[in-house]
Amino acid sequence: SQKIEQNSEALNIQEGKTATLTCNYTNYSPAYLQWYRQDPGRGPVFLLLIRENEKEKRKERLKVTFDTTLKQSLFHITASQPADSATYLCALSPYNQGGKLIFGQGTELSVKP
Amino acid sequence: NAGVMQNPRHLVRRRGQEARLRCSPMKGHSHVYWYRQLPEEGLKFMVYLQKENIIDESGMPKERFSAEFPKEGPSILRIQQVVRGDSAAYFCASSSGDDGYTFGSGTRLTVV
Repeated sequence: SQKIEQNSEALNIQEGKTATLTCNYTNYSPAYLQWYRQDPGRGPVFLLLIRENEKEKRKERLKVTFDTTLKQSLFHITASQPADSATYLCALSPYNQGGKLIFGQGTELSVKP
Repeated sequence: NAGVMQNPRHLVRRRGQEARLRCSPMKGHSHVYWYRQLPEEGLKFMVYLQKENIIDESGMPKERFSAEFPKEGPSILRIQQVVRGDSAAYFCASSSGDDGYTFGSGTRLTVV
């Protein structure tokens, strides 16, 4: 069956450390994968998109990797800050499905000062 | 640029009533997607529309739910004869087709 899974356990880290979140998928052939941030009571906010032919993408303190052999994406936040505390969602877009997104359940990140 | 506008933010309906959720996409975006988020669950795709066309409604329940995106005006998600299980947050997203999606703040539907 098709699945997209993120670490279900909340991630607690110390300010200044690097947070690494994992997204694994099975039985999908994604054209691209996206990462979003969601705060309580708000809609998801787009962070980064990585295409299937890209290995890595960076934006400020954020880095995403995409390994289509392992069927995994890693999302890193370097020099984390308490303001980075939120739920992070990965979402993939399968080929030939009009750009609709299949979301993981999200990983809650808590950065302690 | 006001982003994706959804209204109302909160909607309370009694069982059996109709719920209408509105979404105005970002200026210049012609693709609209509706997602539902149940408590403690992830976002689930419902329907993808372009102006006057439903492109993919594979995530929509077959009964009671409908969506439209008319030539003029916002996209509407309509739920007839609501039941308690319809209580959820409904999010609309728009895109230009090239990059990430812009989501609205959602409509929180409560069925009492």
